Amino acid sequence: GAGVSQSPSNKVTEKGKDVELRCDPISGHTALYWYRQSLGQGLEFLIYFQGNSAPDKSGLPSDRFSAERTGGSVSTLTIQRTQQEDSAVYLCASSLRTSGSGTQYFGPGTRLLVL
Amino acid sequence: DQQVKQNSPSLSVQEGRISILNCDYTNSMFDYFLWYKKYPAEGPTFLISISSIKDKNEDGRFTVFLNKSAKHLSLHIVPSQPGDSAVYFCAASENSNTGKLIFGQGTTLQVKP
Repeated sequence: GAGVSQSPSNKVTEKGKDVELRCDPISGHTALYWYRQSLGQGLEFLIYFQGNSAPDKSGLPSDRFSAERTGGSVSTLTIQRTQQEDSAVYLCASSLRTSGSGTQYFGPGTRLLVL
Repeated sequence: DQQVKQNSPSLSVQEGRISILNCDYTNSMFDYFLWYKKYPAEGPTFLISISSIKDKNEDGRFTVFLNKSAKHLSLHIVPSQPGDSAVYFCAASENSNTGKLIFGQGTTLQVKP
């Protein structure tokens, strides 16, 4: 079966532009997570979806970041007015159940570079 | 404040020997701990986990030990193989209702043939 997919795989943009990152979770997985990994750092939690709602947005760094999920499936992470510090790998993960014991399956990530 | 710490950025071991990767945490409310493995240009893949009510979990060559009093866990790989060369992330579950994970910075393991 298909795993988690993300697009684009790489994105280079100019400072101040908006970008949209897409995540297709594993079919049937109700939980969806966004993380980002800056250079030399661990993964940093951004937002969590249960179905189409986002009970935990605590990791979003600023109001320039937003995310939505439609149909309990595809999710889009939008970064407005990108800054150089937004450069990172953005990773999406999905899980069958929302608990610590629920294995999260990660996509390959989108590498974002803001010039 | 880093709640999950992996203080060794890198580790090099000889093929066939034991690899021990360490992780420390500060939040006593963490209820689940996980190890993920990451190859370059790929997403992390789940390796092994342990509930906070246990002190050991074993899966083939991989064993995770949890010392709650010391707020420390470790991943043992024995025997180590060259294919184990990757970045290993320790993660902890902060809230069982969401499954949100807090990750350490990662340790790069190199297994030499």
